[in-house]
Amino acid sequence: AQSVTQPDIHITVSEGASLELRCNYSYGATPYLFWYVQSPGQGLQLLLKYFSGDTLVQGIKGFEAEFKRSQSSFNLRKPSVHWSDAAEYFCAVGAQGGNTPLVFGKGTRLSVIA
Amino acid sequence: GAVVSQHPSWVICKSGTSVKIECRSLDFQATTMFWYRQFPKQSLMLMATSNEGSKATYEQGVEKDKFLINHASLTLSTLTVTSAHPEDSSFYICSAPPGGRLIEAFFGQGTRLTVV
Repeated sequence: AQSVTQPDIHITVSEGASLELRCNYSYGATPYLFWYVQSPGQGLQLLLKYFSGDTLVQGIKGFEAEFKRSQSSFNLRKPSVHWSDAAEYFCAVGAQGGNTPLVFGKGTRLSVIA
Repeated sequence: GAVVSQHPSWVICKSGTSVKIECRSLDFQATTMFWYRQFPKQSLMLMATSNEGSKATYEQGVEKDKFLINHASLTLSTLTVTSAHPEDSSFYICSAPPGGRLIEAFFGQGTRLTVV
């Protein structure tokens, strides 16, 4: 069965500092991997996704993530955090082949301080 | 890109009443739609899978008689919370993979349900 682990429940960073949110997945084959962001009371916004090819994927808002098969990880990074990045971040895994739902991690809440 | 429209975005209802939430795929056909529930400060948990023209499949622990799902067409799935109770208050969100293939999962805007 697929599973996603986001080890950090809450992270606080200073504005302008770099950010890395961790995500580890468990899946028997090559997964589809996603990062979503959710602001309070809002829906999900896709930041980036990995299906195949280049293991370093670029997303919106200056985010990037690197797929490391050997570590079963898909960590999200941003070189310089802005106050507007404060939100909840979810890593998700999906199976190739379609018609299967995504499995989400428990999320990491990001707080940004001045 | 593909758009999934969910309505209403928020609703308040009295205990014992029923609430219907609609999920529409606006520019593609969705043979499958997924319904998730998110409690405050928690992750999204799959409730059920809606299949066009057939019965929905529910995850363990989800009451099918309470959460009625109908997928009558290739562009519309509905979730009806029947005899709502305060503990049903949650954020409900639908998702559809275009054409039944998980190239990307498109999510509705979500519905905030508050039962008073």
